[in-house]
Formats: sequence, C-alpha cells, structure tokens
Amino acid sequence: SQQGEEDPQALSIQEGENATMNCSYKTSINNLQWYRQNSGRGLVHLILIRSNEREKHSGRLRVTLDTSKKSSSLLITASRAADTASYFCATDPDGANNLFFGTGTRLTVIP
Amino acid sequence: DAGVIQSPRHEVTEMGQEVTLRCKPISGHNSLFWYRQTMMRGLELLIYFNNNVPIDDSGMPEDRFSAKMPNASFSTLKIQPSEPRDSAVYFCASSFSGGVSYEQYFGPGTRLTVT
Repeated sequence: SQQGEEDPQALSIQEGENATMNCSYKTSINNLQWYRQNSGRGLVHLILIRSNEREKHSGRLRVTLDTSKKSSSLLITASRAADTASYFCATDPDGANNLFFGTGTRLTVIP
Repeated sequence: DAGVIQSPRHEVTEMGQEVTLRCKPISGHNSLFWYRQTMMRGLELLIYFNNNVPIDDSGMPEDRFSAKMPNASFSTLKIQPSEPRDSAVYFCASSFSGGVSYEQYFGPGTRLTVT
C-alpha cells in the first residue's frame, strides 16, 4: 500500500505548547502534502513540500521532509484551541496529483 | 468563490436503492477526485478525472459504483444497488493540474447511510 501512516494516532496538549506529528510512507514521492480536517467537515490543505525540499514554513506551521527515511513531520507552534482537528499527510508519487492519504493524527488542544 | 459544492449533504436510503451523489468543482479546476472516508479504512481515493476524462478508477470498490463527469462543472457518483457497507462520508475534491501548486480543495462531503 502507498498509504502513509501518521504517528501518533492521537495527541493532546495544552494551549501554547507545540505539537509535532510524523508521517511515514513507503514509495518515492514527487511531493507530500498536509491537510487538516475539523470534525464533520472536508479536508483543508495546509502545506505542500516537494521532494527536493527539506523544510518549509507557513505561519505557525513547519514541515520537514526526509526522503532518505521516507518521513515527514508537521510542527504546529504555539498551539491554539482552534487547532483541534485531525491532521493527514498525503503523498503524491509522480506529480499526477493522485494523493494517498495517511491514517491521520487526532490533535486536541486544551484551552 | 463558493468552493467545491456537494449535494446532498446527508442521504439515508434503504439497501438496494440507487444513490446519486453530485459535485460541482471550483471553476477553472481541471481535475476532480472522489474519496470515501470511513473509520475502518480511512480516506480512500475512488476515482479521479482530468479534463473530464476518468484517469484512474482502480479505487472503485465494485461494479455497483460508477462515476461520470459530463462537463467541467459537474460530476456524479452513483451506487446501484446500495448496500449497508457503503455507508460512509463521500468527498469530492478539485484541483488545477499543470500549475505549480497541486493542492486539492475538498467539498463538505455527503454522509451516506444505507440501512
């Protein structure tokens, strides 16, 4: 399966703390994307990192990519209660935009 | 922009009935994706279209599932006959393929319950 796996499956932190989620995948990729899903809603794209990039920032988000280890991490700094959601990584093996989603990390930020 | 529009938002039907889910992608996007999400299997890609042409339907679980995209602004996913194991949330997503960015924009989903 090309599906990625997130770790941990669930994470609970206090508001203001940083949250780190990891994603491992099995095949080579063109790019890797992170999405957020609030309960009962559709997924929202957060950030895309290409295979030739190692780190990318967007606001309070920091994504790293290690293609040798086939892994990525998403760091959310200074978390807020509104960050409570499920976070998914998705791999695009060949740039055709055919995404394979991971199993997700459920993040709970306690006010 | 209204974003990706899906209808209906909720559908409850009896086993054996035909179900049709509808999607209107974001104007200007040339790729459309149908996903299914369940607790057991997570988010699965069912089929995707590029410029209205089905590119990969290997994720369609059975012949009971079919999808069409008659034009750039409309797609349907049909299940006939429906079964209780088809109960899930079905998402439609669209994107523009060919540009620098490849993010997908998801609709709100259709929650299907088959009794």
